[in-house]
Amino acid sequence: AQSVTQLDSHVSVSEGTPVLLRCNYSSSYSPSLFWYVQHPNKGLQLLLKYTSAATLVKGINGFEAEFKKSETSFHLTKPSAHMSDAAEYFCVVSLGYGGSQGNLIFGKGTKLSVKP
Amino acid sequence: GAVVSQHPSWVICKSGTSVKIECRSLDFQATTMFWYRQFPKQSLMLMATSNEGSKATYEQGVEKDKFLINHASLTLSTLTVTSAHPEDSSFYICSAPVSGTLNQPQHFGDGTRLSIL
Repeated sequence: AQSVTQLDSHVSVSEGTPVLLRCNYSSSYSPSLFWYVQHPNKGLQLLLKYTSAATLVKGINGFEAEFKKSETSFHLTKPSAHMSDAAEYFCVVSLGYGGSQGNLIFGKGTKLSVKP
Repeated sequence: GAVVSQHPSWVICKSGTSVKIECRSLDFQATTMFWYRQFPKQSLMLMATSNEGSKATYEQGVEKDKFLINHASLTLSTLTVTSAHPEDSSFYICSAPVSGTLNQPQHFGDGTRLSIL
């Protein structure tokens, strides 16, 4: 069965310092993995996706993530945090296989706070 | 890029009222749409899968008579919360993959904040 574990419910960093949001997954199939960001009272915006191409995936706003099969991890990083990065981040695995339309399993989310 | 529009963004109404939420794909067709519910400080929980021209598929524990879903066209799905009560207050979000794609990112609406007094 597929599952997603976000290891930290809350991460706090200072502006200009690196960001690391951790995610581990469990999947019986080659997974498709995504990171989404949600600002307060808003829907979800896709940051980046992994779909079995390059293991290091670059996304929007300077974020990137590395797929490590041996560690079943897909951690999200950014070299330098900006105040506007403060939001909720969700690691997501897709159940899409065998012709399905890609049902999603969400992690519990990590709230990122950025201090000035 | 593909856009999903969700309306209304905020609803406040009295207990016992039925509330309809619309989810539209603006520049693509969506044979499937998904409805999620999000409680404060929690993740998204899939409620149901809306299928154009057929009945919705509900997740375990979701009352189909309470949360009516209609997907009458390739660009519109509606969720009606019938006889809403305070415990139905939540943030509801829809999403849609572009038809014909597998394992591709879904496009999310901006959500609807439902508050039942």
